[in-house]
Amino acid sequence: DTAVSQTPKYLVTQMGNDKSIKCEQNLGHDTMYWYKQDSKKFLKIMFSYNNKELIINETVPNRFSPKSPDKAHLNLHINSLELGDSAVYFCATGSGSGADTQYFGPGTRLTVL
Amino acid sequence: RKEVEQDPGPFNVPEGATVAFNCTYSNSASQSFFWYRQDCRKEPKLLMSVYSSGNEDGRFTAQLNRASQYISLLIRDSKLSDSATYLCVVTSDSNYQLIWGAGTKLIIKP
Repeated sequence: DTAVSQTPKYLVTQMGNDKSIKCEQNLGHDTMYWYKQDSKKFLKIMFSYNNKELIINETVPNRFSPKSPDKAHLNLHINSLELGDSAVYFCATGSGSGADTQYFGPGTRLTVL
Repeated sequence: RKEVEQDPGPFNVPEGATVAFNCTYSNSASQSFFWYRQDCRKEPKLLMSVYSSGNEDGRFTAQLNRASQYISLLIRDSKLSDSATYLCVVTSDSNYQLIWGAGTKLIIKP
């Protein structure tokens, strides 16, 4: 039974389109995260939600909008996609402190053409 | 200066050898430290936490030097399955956020 799942796994789309990535966790964790891993392999946090409330919002273009309908789900919507948005997007969950283990989803590989 | 710096490698190491990775971090207020492992085209997974006194988990030993802001990972008797990228991770000021290194790629050769 997958603990953290993401859909889709691959996403290929044209510049200017709008797309969404979904994340679901069955670990019962309070906190969910979105990370971006670019071609240089740096993993950078984008957003964090705790009990459906936004708690971390790094310097991310406002074309990116996270939504957490409930504790088990955190979706990421991206408007007006740009070439530079091409990356792997990982969803992760944790108990709420960065000091605890974070569990990652399998990633969504986004390619913007 | 990057917040967490690692030698990107790749480290090409014969099976059975011992290999060590280092990592330096810039924020002296960081409280927690970890090594994560990421296989090619997969998600990162926790390998081990790093404690001040040093800790060992089977063939893996992690050390922390707070004075030098330096973390190390030692892998003994390396296996082919150890081939992966090893990510050094530290907590931010708030201890809420994780700051990730870019990783060190390890390739174990038969």
